[in-house]
Amino acid sequence: DGGITQSPKYLFRKEGQNVTLSCEQNLNHDAMYWYRQDPGQGLRLIYYSQIVNDFQKGDIAEGYSVSREKKESFPLTVTSAQKNPTAFYLCASRPYLNTEAFFGQGTRLTVV
Amino acid sequence: DAKTTQPNSMESNEEEPVHLPCNHSTISGTDYIHWYRQLPSQGPEYVIHGLTSNVNNRMASLAIAEDRKSSTLILHRATLRDAAVYYCIRGGNTPLVFGKGTRLSVIA
Repeated sequence: DGGITQSPKYLFRKEGQNVTLSCEQNLNHDAMYWYRQDPGQGLRLIYYSQIVNDFQKGDIAEGYSVSREKKESFPLTVTSAQKNPTAFYLCASRPYLNTEAFFGQGTRLTVV
Repeated sequence: DAKTTQPNSMESNEEEPVHLPCNHSTISGTDYIHWYRQLPSQGPEYVIHGLTSNVNNRMASLAIAEDRKSSTLILHRATLRDAAVYYCIRGGNTPLVFGKGTRLSVIA
């Protein structure tokens, strides 16, 4: 089945540790996105990539890093510089602008 | 800045139509209007999108005002599975920007 997969679904980390969230799609989409969602809030854009080997900062990029070495993969690293990393992280992809975006099921990260 | 305005919450009875409003008074001529919905602890799901004309699909209808400053998402017969947060997004050549959306409750 075609789709977008995030793993793991739940992730626990100790404060001060970097952690990488996985996002893979087999939809052959050019654009991929990372969003963060806090309780009761909408989604906020962290990073996005519209082509391999290129990515742009979103509204809340500080404390995060990404790579886009392959079209199908867009991993997000939450670094120790991120002050409040506990959140629900969502990855999305779409073939080009103004088309339907497909979202993964999310990774719930808890930092203790 | 989501640049759209939606009511925080709405309520509907099961099997009745639901009209979810959205204001986007500063929309540009090339911005599409997108609607997504999100169930608890899940990623958002695409509902519908349009530019100028009204649009229909198997999930919903989108009615766009003639001046494009507002739109309405129409669910023709609400079911309990339609209870979700609905996001109205205006999008051009930029990533989707989500506001807080409208939380729809469906009463059996």
